[in-house]
Formats: sequence, structure tokens, C-alpha cells
Amino acid sequence: DIQMTQSPSSLSASVGDRVTITCQASDDIRMFLNWYKQKPGKAPELLIYDASNLETGVPSRFSGSGSGTDFTLTINNLQPDDVATYFCQQYDDLPPLTFGGGTKVEI
Amino acid sequence: QLKLQESGPGLVRPSETLALTCTVSGGSISSVDHFWGWIRQPPGKGLEWIGSIYFAGNSYYNPSLKDRLTMSVDPSKNHFSLSLTSVAAVDTAIYYCARFRRRAARPGPQDLWGQGIQVTVSS
Repeated sequence: DIQMTQSPSSLSASVGDRVTITCQASDDIRMFLNWYKQKPGKAPELLIYDASNLETGVPSRFSGSGSGTDFTLTINNLQPDDVATYFCQQYDDLPPLTFGGGTKVEI
Repeated sequence: QLKLQESGPGLVRPSETLALTCTVSGGSISSVDHFWGWIRQPPGKGLEWIGSIYFAGNSYYNPSLKDRLTMSVDPSKNHFSLSLTSVAAVDTAIYYCARFRRRAARPGPQDLWGQGIQVTVSS
């Protein structure tokens, strides 16, 4: 199974800051990496698919990059609505499809 | 607008079978471009993919659950289901159903989710 390691596990930043979350795969997953945002008590929602493609309706302050084993989610101009836990997910080598452990973002 | 809604018991006894259904409304489950599946989240923990199924019946299961898991799809009722046998306390979680984009004949990004259903395994 491919293991997904996210860092940091939590962070605190200020409104307007740039935030960076990293995700490392235990093996090459090419570009098959997705990012999700989960607000407390809610279902996750897709932010970025295939490493760098912004899902329809997601604000452009979110961006993704990377390929192979190392990936990054960047949030520019952090807003109060961005308080959530963010998960990466690989789907290159399945089963199983695997998630990172999550990064909790606070303001 | 397509929506997914989970249904099933909120409490299951240990060693019994958990059965959940996800009803799709506002669209067809027979989409050639999508898989359908389940993801769960134990209290205070991360996300675990359970499995995904195509309307034609081909499926992918998490190997860690494979021996206890059966998924099915019923296009006539526009719903799909999960059956997990011999449940234990570790199966206590919020269970989400989701739509998976089809990528190279496999399940890909989950672009629509149900609201989730809390399932507790306890005597």
C-alpha cells in the first residue's frame, strides 16, 4: 500500500497569510493526487484534483503543485472560512485508495 | 442538482452485519463517467476508503475490509449499498457515500459526498 504523509499535522496562521501544506507519498504516484477540505461536522469537499487542477467553484487562492512523491497545497490570503482540516489522497495505486493523516488549519 | 443520501441503522451490535444504502437523486447512477462508493471516519480520526463500485457491477474493495465487505448497485432504484459483516467497536465511524470520477476505468477524485451517517457498534 502507498502511505501518504502530511505535514504539519496542525498549524495556526493569521488572516491574509500564505499557508503551505505538504504531502509525501511512499512511492511514485505520478499526478494522481487530490486535496480535500473538511469543516467540522461536515463532509469533505474536493479542492484540487490531479495535483494541480482547481475544482469548479473553489476560490483561486487555493493551488496545488507537485508530482511523483512530493506535493504541496498552498492557500494564499488565508480567510476565516478556510479554517478546516485538509487531506491529501492518492489514487494511482489502488486498492487501496489512501489518504494522508490530515492538517488542521486554525486562525 | 445531484445529491447523495445515506440511510441505515445508527446502532449495530458487535458481531452483527452493518447494512447501509446511498440513494442518488437528481441524476442517474448509471453514469458511464462515475464510480460510487464509501468512505468512513472514526471519531476524531482521518478518512478511510472502504470501496467503490461501477453501475455495471465491477468493484474495488479495501483489502483490509475485503473479507467482510460486499457492495452492490441497483440502477432500477438508483441506489447502491454496503454490507459489512462481523462488526466490532473499531467499525464505529461516520460513513460517507460519495461519487467518484472514473479515471482510466478506475475510481478517481470524489466530487460529491453525502452528509454522512453516524454508525456506532455497541451492545
